[in-house]
Amino acid sequence: AQSVSQHNHHVILSEAASLELGCNYSYGGTVNLFWYVQYPGQHLQLLLKYFSGDPLVKGIKGFEAEFIKSKFSFNLRKPSVQWSDTAEYFCAVTPGTGGFKTIFGAGTRLFVKA
Amino acid sequence: GAGVSQSPSNKVTEKGKDVELRCDPISGHTALYWYRQSLGQGLEFLIYFQGNSAPDKSGLPSDRFSAERTGGSVSTLTIQRTQQEDSAVYLCASSLAGVVDDTQYFGPGTRLTVL
Repeated sequence: AQSVSQHNHHVILSEAASLELGCNYSYGGTVNLFWYVQYPGQHLQLLLKYFSGDPLVKGIKGFEAEFIKSKFSFNLRKPSVQWSDTAEYFCAVTPGTGGFKTIFGAGTRLFVKA
Repeated sequence: GAGVSQSPSNKVTEKGKDVELRCDPISGHTALYWYRQSLGQGLEFLIYFQGNSAPDKSGLPSDRFSAERTGGSVSTLTIQRTQQEDSAVYLCASSLAGVVDDTQYFGPGTRLTVL
């Protein structure tokens, strides 16, 4: 069965620290990959997505993610976090061909200390 | 413009009762999704509607769960004979064209508590 694994359930960082959140998926075919974010008290919203082309994807607020097909990974990175990045981050996968079932990871709660 | 709205925001019910959860997608969005988020879990896909096509019901956990989408707009998720394990946040999302790389826009969710 398809699945998405996020290795860190809770991450605590100080402002200006670098961030990398791991995401691995299990699906052998073409995939579309997403990172969603949920800020405290807000709706889930798209941070960035990959569906083809350059495997290094840039999203909003300075976030980026790199698709490494050989590792089935789509890790999220930010060079210098801010207090306002405190949120829950979800990695998600949709098969690239056929079907619209989106598989989400369990999420990573990031807390950035001011 | 207005985003995805869901009602009620909170619902407390007794075990065995039926509940209906409503989703109003963004106007003009043809695709609509329902997800369930249990405590400490990721989002679990339930069902997907796209235009007038038959819905993808592959994520519905049991026959107690059903959903309708009337007129290609508003959707209702119905849970019959609720069980305590149905307690979760139910999220609705819509997207413009229902293609696989579409951005999904999420509503605020309905928190369901089954006593």
